[in-house]
Amino acid sequence: EPEVTQTPSHQVTQMGQEVILRCVPISNHLYFYWYRQILGQKVEFLVSFYNNEISEKSEIFDDQFSVERPDGSNFTLKIRSTKLEDSAMYFCASSQMTGPYEQYFGPGTRLTVT
Amino acid sequence: AQSVAQPEDQVNVAEGNPLTVKCTYSVSGNPYLFWYVQYPNRGLQFLLKYITGDNLVKGSYGFEAEFNKSQTSFHLKKPSALVSDSALYFCAVRDNAGNNRKLIWGLGTSLAVNP
Repeated sequence: EPEVTQTPSHQVTQMGQEVILRCVPISNHLYFYWYRQILGQKVEFLVSFYNNEISEKSEIFDDQFSVERPDGSNFTLKIRSTKLEDSAMYFCASSQMTGPYEQYFGPGTRLTVT
Repeated sequence: AQSVAQPEDQVNVAEGNPLTVKCTYSVSGNPYLFWYVQYPNRGLQFLLKYITGDNLVKGSYGFEAEFNKSQTSFHLKKPSALVSDSALYFCAVRDNAGNNRKLIWGLGTSLAVNP
């Protein structure tokens, strides 16, 4: 069964450093998403991406964040200058193009900012 | 404001007994409702969804959920719990007005099934 994959599984970085979290969505999906979950808190929507552009973003997704689909398979989330409060589990998801199709999630990347 | 509430942090049931994990929602339009499960160190795994039609929807692993529009609820149920069902369960809603596709999540309910 096809699945969403994410790398790395755990990333430790120092405050102020740039990080790139990588995702490979399911191959025939065209909508891509990033969510995050701070320990003990709700899963929060960050951004959705379709047709090589952001289709929706939350207030969390400020200028420090960016997304890219550099090739036909990868979907990345970049945090330019990490803060302590960026420490969280980051989930990538993908869904089919039309209809209310469910989103399929990757296993997540745990980001720890020290 | 759109929101999802899961009123129970933890649910404990004995193996073989029926289980219910509660979810209520508040959205402006007609809701699309989802249940996901998260096993330790794993991602969020889709269980089932309600879009329209029959209020009782069936999903993976014997789970089902009942949509109740008047009570704005979408409770997850299973007739006979297994120890392997022990996990974290999340209810989510998508407001289908416009092009909005983001999911809004509950805090999650930890289900413990005791042998």
